[in-house]
Amino acid sequence: AQSVTQLDSQVPVFEEAPVELRCNYSSSVSVYLFWYVQYPNQGLQLLLKYLSGSTLVKGINGFEAEFNKSQTSFHLRKPSVHISDTAEYFCAVSESGSEKLVFGKGTKLTVNP
Amino acid sequence: DAGVIQSPRHEVTEMGQEVTLRCKPISGHDYLFWYRQTMMRGLELLIYFNNNVPIDDSGMPEDRFSAKMPNASFSTLKIQPSEPRDSAVYFCASSGATAYEQYFGPGTRLTVT
Repeated sequence: AQSVTQLDSQVPVFEEAPVELRCNYSSSVSVYLFWYVQYPNQGLQLLLKYLSGSTLVKGINGFEAEFNKSQTSFHLRKPSVHISDTAEYFCAVSESGSEKLVFGKGTKLTVNP
Repeated sequence: DAGVIQSPRHEVTEMGQEVTLRCKPISGHDYLFWYRQTMMRGLELLIYFNNNVPIDDSGMPEDRFSAKMPNASFSTLKIQPSEPRDSAVYFCASSGATAYEQYFGPGTRLTVT
């Protein structure tokens, strides 16, 4: 069965600093990978997705992620964060052909001035 | 587009009472998902529908939970009788032909006392 591990439950950073949120997955078949963001008291919003092709994926709000098949990772990065990036970020995996998403436990990103 | 609509946004009820959560998916979407989010267990898929037909309800915790989708624009999740451990945020999400690009509603925060 597929699973997702987000290695950090909380990540505090200062404004304009770079950030990396880590995600590892396990699956015996090929997968699709996703990052969602949840702002306080809101639903989840899709940030970016990897389905196939280039392993470097660009999303909204300046975020990007890189799929590394050998390390089964899909880390999320942003070179310079803003206060408004404070939110919880969820990594998710779907086995190719499956309609179900399995989510990680989430990483709370706090951007401090 | 109004996005996925959920009602109520907040529900407080006493143990033993029936609770009904409602969801209106995005028009034209084929898939509808119900999730539950708690601090302990994270985001869990309860059940999902395709073209109004339940496809996988393996995440429904027990017989007290039931979900229906009588038409393409409406779904309900019912808990009867409710228990304090059902307290959580319940999300509805919908998607088009590519089921994994899911659009989430704002959630219903359920508190059972």
